Amino acid sequence: DAGVIQSPRHEVTEMGQEVTLRCKPISGHNSLFWYRQTMMRGLELLIYFNNNVPIDDSGMPEDRFSAKMPNASFSTLKIQPSEPRDSAVYFCASRTGLNTEAFFGQGTRLTVV
Amino acid sequence: TQLLEQSPQFLSIQEGENLTVYCNSSSVFSSLQWYRQEPGEGPVLLVTVVTGGEVKKLKRLTFQFGDARKDSSLHITAAQPGDTGLYLCAGGKDGANNLFFGTGTRLTVIP
Repeated sequence: DAGVIQSPRHEVTEMGQEVTLRCKPISGHNSLFWYRQTMMRGLELLIYFNNNVPIDDSGMPEDRFSAKMPNASFSTLKIQPSEPRDSAVYFCASRTGLNTEAFFGQGTRLTVV
Repeated sequence: TQLLEQSPQFLSIQEGENLTVYCNSSSVFSSLQWYRQEPGEGPVLLVTVVTGGEVKKLKRLTFQFGDARKDSSLHITAAQPGDTGLYLCAGGKDGANNLFFGTGTRLTVIP
């Protein structure tokens, strides 16, 4: 397996534009997590899914953020409209279940200007 | 509000020295994991501890889970430059399959 795949690796966009980040989890993993990492706030859990169902989205900062998982092999995190304070590295991770290893993608570095 | 607080936040030591990193919380965790992250990459798992008081060793790294399952420590013996990185503890709250990460400890080992 190629591991967790995220795209794009880098994204630069203007304030107010819509941004969509994509993630392909490892096949057979039924839990998927979206994180945001900044120097100031560290690695924050935004939302996680079990079996494609969103379980806890309390970490999503605002209504501008939304996440979907239409099937077991694909998830998106959308920001609309984007703001400069959304600039961060966004990670997707997947795992098979409780207490197991979480495998991370290489992240998407988002810059909103 | 961070569920898991790590200390120290930054640590710079000479090669060959020993060090301990702490991960503390007021919450009980069903398990505690330690990850290491290098620049430009996602975190990678080092170890999982699940039983209160459990001690695990991984070469020069020793991990301990507190008796009450609220805290953990990572001890590195004779640190090497290859140990440089961001160390993160992580746990699931209330037995759920969430995974919250600590504030992180950025370690630099100077040759």
